[in-house]
Order: sequence, then C-alpha cells, then structure tokens
Amino acid sequence: ELKVEQNPLFLSMQEGKNYTIYCNYSTTSDRLYWYRQDPGKSLESLFVLLSNGAVKQEGRLMASLDTKARLSTLHITAAVHDLSATYFCAVGANRDDKIIFGKGTRLHILP
Amino acid sequence: DTGVSQDPRHKITKRGQNVTFRCDPISEHNRLYWYRQTLGQGPEFLTYFQNEAQLEKSRLLSDRFSAERPKGSFSTLEIQRTEQGDSAMYLCASSFPRVAEITDTQYFGPGTRLTVL
Repeated sequence: ELKVEQNPLFLSMQEGKNYTIYCNYSTTSDRLYWYRQDPGKSLESLFVLLSNGAVKQEGRLMASLDTKARLSTLHITAAVHDLSATYFCAVGANRDDKIIFGKGTRLHILP
Repeated sequence: DTGVSQDPRHKITKRGQNVTFRCDPISEHNRLYWYRQTLGQGPEFLTYFQNEAQLEKSRLLSDRFSAERPKGSFSTLEIQRTEQGDSAMYLCASSFPRVAEITDTQYFGPGTRLTVL
C-alpha cells in the first residue's frame, strides 16, 4: 500500500531564509504533485513531476523528484510572508488513477 | 468561472440525518474524484468516476456513503444516517485522463464543510 510521508509537519521560519520540505513515498510511482492550501480554502496545484530528475520552479518555490530514492523536495528560497500556507505532496498509485496525499507541512513565515 | 464548483459550501446537520452534496467539474474533464479532509490531515481518497462509471471506491466509503455521476457531468455524494465522525471537508476534483503532463493534474473545488451535531 502506498504511503506518503512529509517532513517537517510544521515549519516556522523567518522571511528571507531558505528551507526545504521533504516528501518520501513507499512504492514506485509515475507521478508526484505538490499542492498549496490556505486556511479554510481548497487546494491549489503547484507542480506536477513525472520523471526522475524532474525539476520545476515557480517564483520562490522549486520542486524536484528522485524516483530512485522515492523522494521529492520542495525548496523555498528567500521566504516571504505570502508563502505561509500548508503544502501537500501527493503521489500517484501505479496502475491506478487515485493519488495519495501526505499529511501536509504547515509553513508559517514570520515577518 | 470555469473551475470546479461544489454546493453547498457549508452544511450543518443532526446525527442520523441524510445529506447530499453536489460537484460540478470543469466542463471538459471526464474524471471526477471525491476526497474527505479532516482538520490537520491531507485529503483522503473516497471514490472516482470516469464519465459515468464509478471505477474505484475506498474502504473509507462505508455503506452509508453513495456517489453517482448519472450523465457523466455533475456528481452527487450522499451520506445516510450521518454520524459525528462524518464531520469533515468533502472535496471534489476533476481532471483529464493521464495522457499528458498538463492534463493530468486534479483541480479541486472549494469543498463542502459538513458539521454533524
């Protein structure tokens, strides 16, 4: 059974700092997603990663995928307050169309 | 607005009552998914449809839960004899089939927050 683990689950950091959120998954998969969720709101798609070594960047966020290690990272560069949110990674279950979510990383950026 | 829509946005009900939620996917998407999210957790998969066919149901979906997508467009999720443990955010998402990166992403609606008293 596919399991997805994120760490840390909670992260408080100061503006201007860099940090990385990690997502490990337990079985092989052909796709990985990162979503953002603001309090009381729905999920916003950030990245889709489909191949080993894939790297995608949008603004201060960069996601990468290592399928051999079953690991994805979401790197935050020079954090700003607007990036405060919960970030979820989700992994596609092979031969299946559902995706399994991690518990999320609640990111709080202090001014 | 061409995004996924859900109705109602909030529902408060008493234990034992039946509730029904509606989801309207993005019009050209033929896949539709239901998830449940409780406080502090990630969304948990419940079921999904391709067109009108329900292709998978999670073990989380007890006999009290039923979902339909009669014409392959909107979908309904009904919970019978609600229990306090059913209190959660119910999220709907839609997507194209997995044929290309840009069409694989699931787009989520705003959710229906259910409170069972």
